[in-house]
Amino acid sequence: KQEVTQIPAALSVPEGENLVLNCSFTDSAIYNLQWFRQDPGKGLTSLLLIQSSQREQTSGRLNASLDKSSGRSTLYIAASQPGDSATYLCAGGGSNYKLTFGKGTLLTVNP
Amino acid sequence: DGGITQSPKYLFRKEGQNVTLSCEQNLNHDAMYWYRQDPGQGLRLIYYSQIVNDFQKGDIAEGYSVSREKKESFPLTVTSAQKNPTAFYLCASNGHTIGAYQPQHFGDGTRLSIL
Repeated sequence: KQEVTQIPAALSVPEGENLVLNCSFTDSAIYNLQWFRQDPGKGLTSLLLIQSSQREQTSGRLNASLDKSSGRSTLYIAASQPGDSATYLCAGGGSNYKLTFGKGTLLTVNP
Repeated sequence: DGGITQSPKYLFRKEGQNVTLSCEQNLNHDAMYWYRQDPGQGLRLIYYSQIVNDFQKGDIAEGYSVSREKKESFPLTVTSAQKNPTAFYLCASNGHTIGAYQPQHFGDGTRLSIL
């Protein structure tokens, strides 16, 4: 059974800092890895999706990588802004289209 | 604009009562999902459906039921058998493309509480 772990559980940084969020998974037979953002009391917004055949994806200031052999993914946020404050969740996809989620990292970017 | 609409935003359930959460999508997606989110926890899958008139149990299906009579709609019923229903419920959908997984799109959730 796939298990997904996110470290750290919470992170506070000053505005402008570059930061990395970590995600690890137990089953390397992963079909895809997806990163989401969740604002308080809201649903999830998809940020980046990495197919199993890919190593990374980029969107604006965000870059996500996937290393299946080590069971790790990272989300890199460049030049962080207060508007980036949210909970970031990663999820691993299996062959049956199901996603297994981590518990998330609560990010606070201080002005 | 295309998207997923969940209603109501807040719902209260009395003891012994069944309640139904609505989820409608106009994205023409084949697959739909229901998740439960508890404080400090990741999302846990309740039920999912990959095609009309077919659905499968997720990891925590006990005390819940669903139907998928239309492509656009995937309602979730929280039955009286679910003893701890207080949670944030999220509906999601995605399309299926051969050879490439498509991202899941989420609604804004329904917060269910016990009276």
